[in-house]
Amino acid sequence: DAKTTQPTSMDCAEGRAANLPCNHSTISGNEYVYWYRQIHSQGPQYIIHGLKNNETNEMASLIITEDRKSSTLILPHATLRDTAVYYCIVRVDFGNEKLTFGTGTRLTIIP
Amino acid sequence: DTGVSQNPRHKITKRGQNVTFRCDPISEHNRLYWYRQTLGQGPEFLTYFQNEAQLEKSRLLSDRFSAERPKGSFSTLEIQRTEQGDSAMYLCASSLGQGARTQYFGPGTRLLVL
Repeated sequence: DAKTTQPTSMDCAEGRAANLPCNHSTISGNEYVYWYRQIHSQGPQYIIHGLKNNETNEMASLIITEDRKSSTLILPHATLRDTAVYYCIVRVDFGNEKLTFGTGTRLTIIP
Repeated sequence: DTGVSQNPRHKITKRGQNVTFRCDPISEHNRLYWYRQTLGQGPEFLTYFQNEAQLEKSRLLSDRFSAERPKGSFSTLEIQRTEQGDSAMYLCASSLGQGARTQYFGPGTRLLVL
């Protein structure tokens, strides 16, 4: 799997949009970008994934650059419950069942 | 909708003892995964099952570790002769289908080896 690079930590004010960047410059054409998060003392939780196009669901939006070498996860209206470690993972969909987590970004939502 | 459950949630043991953890996946999920997470690090893949077959094992899974999923439902992870370095959170996840995009994680079992 391609390696990802994320900032160690970020702060965001409650109610504002949280933008979490991820670099994956060695991504291959068949690798998807996944985002998971882990709230303290819980297991990781799937957020969103994408291949080329921008994606949006009820939790977040994923913006992938045209060259696919980086992406941004956007939490549109951050709440205190969004405080967590966010992991950006690059993975092929078939033939590789495991998720390879890095150290992620610790996002703190400030009241 | 019952999620992935793991038992026990916490385990304290003395070095050299054997421990066993249990994972109950989401009903009808045919794939089950074990991960280990140490403090400040992301989860690391250990092994996974498709139904009762163990299809992949990480090099992290030393011969003191054994995982089973005898009937393709719940799974157990046993650590024999525990060492202090085994102290970690052990996470279980499940998914449905090959190449499933979403793995659903349980709350984990936190192991402390004294």
